[in-house]
Amino acid sequence: DVKVTQSSRYLVKRTGEKVFLECVQDMDHENMFWYRQDPGLGLRLIYFSYDVKMKEKGDIPEGYSVSREKKERFSLILESASTNQTSMYLCASSPHGAGGHHYEQYFGPGTRLTVT
Amino acid sequence: GNSVTQMEGPVTLSEEAFLTINCTYTATGYPSLFWYVQYPGEGLQLLLKATKADDKGSNKGFEATYRKETTSFHLEKGSVQVSDSAVYFCALWEDSSYKLIFGSGTRLLVRP
Repeated sequence: DVKVTQSSRYLVKRTGEKVFLECVQDMDHENMFWYRQDPGLGLRLIYFSYDVKMKEKGDIPEGYSVSREKKERFSLILESASTNQTSMYLCASSPHGAGGHHYEQYFGPGTRLTVT
Repeated sequence: GNSVTQMEGPVTLSEEAFLTINCTYTATGYPSLFWYVQYPGEGLQLLLKATKADDKGSNKGFEATYRKETTSFHLEKGSVQVSDSAVYFCALWEDSSYKLIFGSGTRLLVRP
C-alpha cells in the first residue's frame, strides 16, 4: 500500500522559531510537493521537487525553504515562524512521466502547525 | 491563469439523497480534471479523474463527466452514505507549470 508519512500531526511553535516539517514516501516517487491548506483557500503549493537536490518554487514560497537530500524525504523549513504561517501543511508525492500518472498525487495526513 | 471554482459548502444531505457538487474551470486547452476527497483527519485521496473531453470518471459510486462546452466537471452520486461525509476538491492539471490547481473545497455532511 502506498504511503506518505509526515513527522507530526500537531505542532505548536513560538514566533521566530525555526521549524522543520518532514515528509517521507515509500513509493520511490520522483516528485514531491508541499502545500498549505487554509479554510476557503483550498490547497496552495509552496514548493515542489522533481528529483534529489532539485527544488522549484510554487505559488507561495515566501518565508519557506525546502531540502531534498534523499529521494524519499522532502523537508519544509520555516526559517522564522510567524503567526500567519499557522495552517495545515500537506505533503504529497507522485511518479514521474510515463503513462501520464505524474499528476496522480498521494498525500500524507497533514501537520497542523500553530504559531503563537 | 488557470483556475477552478467550486460551489461553497457546507452541503448537508440526508442519507440516500442525490448529490451534486458543482465545479467549473478556466483553462487554456483541455487539461486533465480530478476530484480528490479528504476524510476527517486524513490527507487527500484521488477519487476520480478524466483526461479528455466527454470522458466520465467514476469510483465508489461517484461520477463526473468532462464537459468542454460548459467547462465543467460536476461530481454526482445517486445515493450518499454517512461515510461520504468529507471535503471534496476539484482540481485540474496545468501542464505548463507541472502543477495541480485546486478549488477551495466543498464540505459534505450526510446525516443518518
